[in-house]
Amino acid sequence: GAVVSQHPSRVICKSGTSVKIECRSLDFQATTMFWYRQFPKQSLMLMATSNEGSKATYEQGVEKDKFLINHASLTLSTLTVTSAHPEDSSFYICSASGGGARETQYFGPGTRLLVL
Amino acid sequence: EDQVTQSPEALRLQEGESSSLNCSYTVSGLRGLFWYRQDPGKGPEFLFTLYSAGEEKEKERLKATLTKKESFLHITAPKPEDSATYLCAVQTRSSNTGKLIFGQGTTLQVKP
Repeated sequence: GAVVSQHPSRVICKSGTSVKIECRSLDFQATTMFWYRQFPKQSLMLMATSNEGSKATYEQGVEKDKFLINHASLTLSTLTVTSAHPEDSSFYICSASGGGARETQYFGPGTRLLVL
Repeated sequence: EDQVTQSPEALRLQEGESSSLNCSYTVSGLRGLFWYRQDPGKGPEFLFTLYSAGEEKEKERLKATLTKKESFLHITAPKPEDSATYLCAVQTRSSNTGKLIFGQGTTLQVKP
């Protein structure tokens, strides 16, 4: 099956700093990548959808200036949490698909962010 | 509004006790229904995709079925290693990005 990696798997940072999370598709070209956030014992909440080479589309209520998404190549997307605050602490998961409306999304292992 | 509802929220089974998880959906037009398995602290693992009513797919002890209103994930003779949260998600015809709408999940615990 398709493999998606995320780095780092866990990060602790101080309030006010920025954190970058990488998402890579290892064995396929990901035309579309998605970023999710998951709170304890809750389902996945879609934050944004990004297509290679174009601006990300953010879901309602997600601040695009706070959660910067870059999808510069067909195998890499990054999420930068700017000026992080304790309420940004969460489990962030990316997924990737080959593009198209019917494509399966394959998920990364997730990144646990703790902001002190 | 497109909506996905999973039931039950939690399910406890004895090893070998077969059961089914339900995923009901209300969408303007279904493009595909997906089942994922998620272990604690990990990302979801893809299990199945179903596209049309009447379709069935199997993998080891799992079998997924689809009707026009719901999908079932049947677990036959489960083992403790089947313990996980099972997520159902749909893609709708109104989305051209493949965006998924997730249910809240069913947390399955299989006791030896």
